[in-house]
Amino acid sequence: DIVMTQSPLSLPVTPGEPASISCKSSQTLLQSDGHNYLAWYLQKPGQSPQFLIYLGSNRASGVPDRFSGSGSGTDFTLKISRVEAEDVGVYYCMQGLQIPITFGQGTRLEI
Amino acid sequence: VQLVESGGGLVQPGGSLGLSCAASGFTLSSYWMHWVRQAPGKGLVWVSRMNSDGSDIKYADTVKGRLTISRDNAKNTLYLQMSGLRAEDTAVYYCGRYSFGAIDVWGRGTMVTVSS
Repeated sequence: DIVMTQSPLSLPVTPGEPASISCKSSQTLLQSDGHNYLAWYLQKPGQSPQFLIYLGSNRASGVPDRFSGSGSGTDFTLKISRVEAEDVGVYYCMQGLQIPITFGQGTRLEI
Repeated sequence: VQLVESGGGLVQPGGSLGLSCAASGFTLSSYWMHWVRQAPGKGLVWVSRMNSDGSDIKYADTVKGRLTISRDNAKNTLYLQMSGLRAEDTAVYYCGRYSFGAIDVWGRGTMVTVSS
């Protein structure tokens, strides 16, 4: 199984400041098609995960452009250029390359 | 585009329960579909997957032999039949649509509690 490791697990931030979350996979997520099968989600309290980023760096529909994903192979990063109060919650990375699909432990972003 | 889960509830250890996931706005049989669960206060854990034509089904080792994924194309609904339930199966169960290497549509989830 591919192990996904996120850091930090807790991230205190100040509104207006940037934030960055790291996600490392135990195997490369770069497929022969040239895409990295890495996605990012935000789960707010009491809600289902919200889809943010797919294929490593593509923003999902309706996701604000302050969110960006980068990286390739085994190292990935989610960046928020200027944190807003509504961004609080737990962020998960997920590899969609092989079964079983696996998730990182989650990073709690708090204001 | 929406997924709505139902069927959760309280069940005794060793019991059975059937979950449903009704899709709207898209055709289930055109996508690979997944079940993911989340125990209270814990992270997301993948449970099962069915490919688009239903010919390839996968399960997590922890549920193999006890959970069964299926689909009714006429009803555009995905199912998860659970038997031999254990306390550690207690979780919110989400169904999700797989597209472009990610689960791009999630339902709101349905809570399953296994307790005597």
